[in-house]
Amino acid sequence: DQQVKQNSPSLSVQEGRISILNCDYTNSMFDYFLWYKKYPAEGPTFLISISSIKDKNEDGRFTVFLNKSAKHLSLHIVPSQPGDSAVYFCAAKAGANNLFFGTGTRLTVIP
Amino acid sequence: GAVVSQHPSWVICKSGTSVKIECRSLDFQATTMFWYRQFPKQSLMLMATSNEGSKATYEQGVEKDKFLINHASLTLSTLTVTSAHPEDSSFYICSAREALGQRQPQHFGDGTRLSIL
Repeated sequence: DQQVKQNSPSLSVQEGRISILNCDYTNSMFDYFLWYKKYPAEGPTFLISISSIKDKNEDGRFTVFLNKSAKHLSLHIVPSQPGDSAVYFCAAKAGANNLFFGTGTRLTVIP
Repeated sequence: GAVVSQHPSWVICKSGTSVKIECRSLDFQATTMFWYRQFPKQSLMLMATSNEGSKATYEQGVEKDKFLINHASLTLSTLTVTSAHPEDSSFYICSAREALGQRQPQHFGDGTRLSIL
């Protein structure tokens, strides 16, 4: 049972434009959400997180939006750069419980 | 930032061999470390949670006698795949969480590609 879903396996965006990566979840107990970036043959790197008490968190070019009623979160990258090309995983947890990961979205930023 | 070192990065060995993978937190203390497994084009699947000084907690369907986990110190956890077979071939990733609390993000190692011939 996939509690965290990323329905788009891939996304291509022109350099300089906005990248929007989406994530849906089913467990209403999730209260902390994270985005990780992963290059091939490397472990995921933490990017940005958001608590369920917020609906937006911004860090430089990265902004995460949370819509609790829709059980949906998104990661916005603007402007997109070729170095952003990677697989992006969203993850969620409830309290002290373990992280649940989505299946990832491969972002390709075209120069 | 927090660094997690995982070693080795790549292992190729014969069926029946036992393989040990090390996971170290280099600049922070980690009371909790996690072991994941990733199949191609799939998500990271949690195998077990390792707490320093106590027995690991295994996820459903993960054989604890097959995947031995030891978390002997606040900076080191090891995963031993015992009597590995071709179906154990996968990408194994560890992560560690700083001792400060559950809201700290997990930091991941670079993973170990295990190939059993």
